Amino acid sequence: DIQMTQSPSSLSASVGDRVTITCRASQGMRSELLWFQQRPGKAPQRLIYDASTLQSGVASRFSGSGSGTDFTLTISSLQPEDSATYYCLQYNRYPRTFGQGTKVEI
Amino acid sequence: EVQVVESGGGLVQPGGSLRLSCEASGFTFNNHWMDWVRQAPGKGLEWVANINQDGSQTYYVDSVKGRFTISRDNAKSSLFLQMNSLRAEDTALYFCTRELGPPWGQGTMVTVSS
Repeated sequence: DIQMTQSPSSLSASVGDRVTITCRASQGMRSELLWFQQRPGKAPQRLIYDASTLQSGVASRFSGSGSGTDFTLTISSLQPEDSATYYCLQYNRYPRTFGQGTKVEI
Repeated sequence: EVQVVESGGGLVQPGGSLRLSCEASGFTFNNHWMDWVRQAPGKGLEWVANINQDGSQTYYVDSVKGRFTISRDNAKSSLFLQMNSLRAEDTALYFCTRELGPPWGQGTMVTVSS
């Protein structure tokens, strides 16, 4: 199985800060990576697909980059509504695997 | 509106069975892969299974292989998860999603406990 390791596991930042979350795969893959946001008590929402393509309707302050084993989710200017847990998921191979999550507090 | 709605969760004893359903609307169901994802209380997300458009291909996480079966009824725009030999570690909120979303449903809770 491909193991996905996210870092950090949690972070605290201020409104307007630039925030970066990383996801490292245990083996190389192309760009088959998704990023999700999950607010407390809510279903996950996909933010990014194919590692860097912004999902329709998602704020442009979110961006994704990377390929191979190292991937990044960036929030360019943190907003109060971005308080959530963020997950990466690889869909290069089965079983699909999520990272352990990054909790962002504001 | 594009949406999926899960149902069928509940409390079941270890070793028991449960069948989850997911009703889709607002999109052409038989054009899409469908997935089940679960989340144990206070824990992260875990992908469980998926199925292709005509049901001829299915994939599972190792921990549920041989116990869970994913299926679909395209005529009724419905997805199912038959769960047998349930264990305490299967306790989770189960989400239905179109190709890992959007949309995602709000989930149906499965609790395995004596």
